[in-house]
Amino acid sequence: DSGVTQTPKHLITATGQRVTLRCSPRSGDLSVYWYQQSLDQGLQFLIQYYNGEERAKGNILERFSAQQFPDLHSELNLSSLELGDSALYFCASSLSYTASEAFFGQGTRLTVV
Amino acid sequence: GIQVEQSPPDLILQEGANSTLRCNFSDSVNNLQWFHQNPWGQLINLFYIPSGTKQNGRLSATTVATERYSLLYISSSQTTDSGVYFCAAYTGTASKLTFGTGTRLQVTL
Repeated sequence: DSGVTQTPKHLITATGQRVTLRCSPRSGDLSVYWYQQSLDQGLQFLIQYYNGEERAKGNILERFSAQQFPDLHSELNLSSLELGDSALYFCASSLSYTASEAFFGQGTRLTVV
Repeated sequence: GIQVEQSPPDLILQEGANSTLRCNFSDSVNNLQWFHQNPWGQLINLFYIPSGTKQNGRLSATTVATERYSLLYISSSQTTDSGVYFCAAYTGTASKLTFGTGTRLQVTL
């Protein structure tokens, strides 16, 4: 158990819908990262928050947004879902925003039908 | 940004065999991690090793930072070692882990 909690584990939804994925970081970690893993793209960095502030942005679509709350949990919102958004979404946390070891949650498997 | 390459892409071993997985990176790193993604999709931390050598049971890793590569050794492989092994790194100027494309390992009886 990495100490990073993601909910839900599985999600099936229809095209055009909106979903919210939730992440609770390890106790004491201030930085949260979101990654997307699809079959043909590997693990792609989406966005990072550190202590409530956006720190870095990767290849995140405009239909996707995220935030980190004062209690340090984070949510990733995916809207106007398309079939190609089906993927495994991971959250990771680390103590700081650089150089410290990152720990990953078990992922949320999103299937868009 | 940093480029991370892994080799070989695929590996099939018989149970009990040893193997070496390689990770090359294009820039100096402040963080180098090895992960095992099991068949259920979980990413499990193996090593945090920006430099030097570490061992954990049948697994060990060595990072030679000056030559920009890291090696993961698996000895006496077991079927539970099957899955995908990723290395991931970032430089001091970046704020994200960049993952390699992985090595898919299958251990057979």
